[in-house]
Amino acid sequence: AQSVAQPEDQVNVAEGNPLTVKCTYSVSGNPYLFWYVQYPNRGLQFLLKYITGDNLVKGSYGFEAEFNKSQTSFHLKKPSALVSDSALYFCAVRDIQAGTALIFGKGTTLSVSS
Amino acid sequence: GAVVSQHPSRVICKSGTSVKIECRSLDFQATTMFWYRQFPKQSLMLMATSNEGSKATYEQGVEKDKFLINHASLTLSTLTVTSAHPEDSSFYICSASGTSGNTIYFGEGSWLTVV
Repeated sequence: AQSVAQPEDQVNVAEGNPLTVKCTYSVSGNPYLFWYVQYPNRGLQFLLKYITGDNLVKGSYGFEAEFNKSQTSFHLKKPSALVSDSALYFCAVRDIQAGTALIFGKGTTLSVSS
Repeated sequence: GAVVSQHPSRVICKSGTSVKIECRSLDFQATTMFWYRQFPKQSLMLMATSNEGSKATYEQGVEKDKFLINHASLTLSTLTVTSAHPEDSSFYICSASGTSGNTIYFGEGSWLTVV
């Protein structure tokens, strides 16, 4: 079975500082990994994905994530946080071979203070 | 880019009635669609997977007779909440996967309130 863990319920950073939102995964085969952001009362917005290739993936709004196979991690990062980045962030995994739905982590609330 | 449209975005219905939520892929053929449910400030829980022209596959604990899913065409899937109860009030989100399967697109979600 596939699963995703987001160990932090909330991450607090000051504007202008770097941010990291952690994610680890577990799949039986090769993973597709995704990050989504959700603003209040809205659907999900796609940030980035890892399918294959370079371990460092660059996505929307200046976000990036690094795929680490040995640590089964896919942490989301941004060099300089903005107040407008404050939202709920979800890591998700999909087992390529199984072709199944995305399975989501519990979500991490990012709060960026000015 | 590809867009998934959900309708209605908000709906209020009375207990005991049924309500239908539509999920459409606007510019691609969605061979597979997924329905999720999300409670406030919680994660998305997969309810069911539907493939065009076949019966939906429901996750454990999801009542298939209560949450009817139909995927009659490559661009439309519907979720019907039958005999709705207040505890069915939630945010329902659909997603769609194209023929390549690599990318999954999400709708904007539908707020259901049962009174």
